[in-house]
Parts: sequence; structure tokens; C-alpha cells
Amino acid sequence: NAGVTQTPKFQVLKTGQSMTLQCAQDMNHNSMYWYRQDPGMGLRLIYYSASEGTTDKGEVPNGYNVSRLNKREFSLRLESAAPSQTSVYFCATTKDGTGYTGELFFGEGSRLTVL
Amino acid sequence: TQLLEQSPQFLSIQEGENLTVYCNSSSVFSSLQWYRQEPGEGPVLLVTVVTGGEVKKLKRLTFQFGDARKDSSLHITAAQPGDTGLYLCAPENQAGTALIFGKGTTLSVSS
Repeated sequence: NAGVTQTPKFQVLKTGQSMTLQCAQDMNHNSMYWYRQDPGMGLRLIYYSASEGTTDKGEVPNGYNVSRLNKREFSLRLESAAPSQTSVYFCATTKDGTGYTGELFFGEGSRLTVL
Repeated sequence: TQLLEQSPQFLSIQEGENLTVYCNSSSVFSSLQWYRQEPGEGPVLLVTVVTGGEVKKLKRLTFQFGDARKDSSLHITAAQPGDTGLYLCAPENQAGTALIFGKGTTLSVSS
């Protein structure tokens, strides 16, 4: 049982290049999230999808787009990468939203460097 | 905008010592979760607190939710090297749709 799988685990891009981070979960969860983690900044929410077919902006959505492809998959796209997007990206899922019922299950992270 | 502060930012202690880390805000939280993250991995849930004044224990870890539900603390008794990691508090956002994370407390316990 893999849980939450992120690909790729490591990626180096040049400024202006585009790429997509993939996230897939086999937990049959409804809600999926993308966070970025930078030193001294904690985890910041980029986008989330409360259910299949819906997406919403989080704290830091600029420069990113997302697609909830189906219930299992939630991708994060950088259309024109910038050095400020160098970070570790985490995908997470919950069964039915957050709060007292909603434990977040995280993937292992994708480390992205933009030169 | 929810302002969330965790303190201290860094803590380095010897095995066997006790410690407390704090999570504070000016906003009222409907609920709050604590996570621990080890290097190279994603955060893992430790506990969820919901009721003001609530105290939960997880072995040597004691979590408290403030009476006004604006703050929380994590106390570790007799810390061990296995407690080393980044401790993150995460209340719900105001819309109740996602978790907002603090910057975390990095704990290092040496033997």
C-alpha cells in the first residue's frame, strides 16, 4: 500500500522552463493538497482540491496551476519556473477535508531547484 | 489572515531534559493539529485538539489547547534522541477547508 506517491523526487530546471509535479494516492481520499516548504517558512499551502472536479487557491498560488485529473491524481504545474520556486513540494490528502476529522497524509516530497 | 507563531524556532537539549514548545495566534481556532517531521520525509500527525482547555497525552508528549482556543503547547518529558525533528502546529484556516502550518520548532536531542 503506497499511500501518497510523488514524482519526481528530485528535479533541476532552468529559469523559464516548465514542468509538472505528479501526485497519486491509493487511499480513496477525497481531498488533496499541494504545499511548499522553504527553510524557516514552514509549510505554505499552494492549492487544494476538496473533491474531484474542484480546485481552490491557497496562500501562495501565484506561478502555479493545478489539475485534479481524477479522484486519485492531483498535479501541480509550473509554467515558467523562477528561482523563487526552488523548494520542497509536498502533496497531502485527507479523507473528507480538515479539522478534527481530517488527518493529513503526506508524500515524501519533491525537491525542485530552479537555476 | 491568520498569524501563527511557533516558539522557540530552534531547541537543542540533552537526553533526559524536559521541554515545552508553543503555538500562538490572535485568532480563535476551531481545531488544531500537531505534526512531527523527520528529515527527508513528510510530516506525520501526532494529535488533534478540539476543545478549549483540552489536554491530550501521547506517551511522554503532553499537548494542551488553550482555554480560548488561540494557543497550544507541546511538552515533552525526558526527551530522547528519537524525539529529534521539526514540530509543526497546524490549525484549520478560517474557511475550514485546509490546514495552515506554523514555521515549526526544530528540536535536537543529543545523547
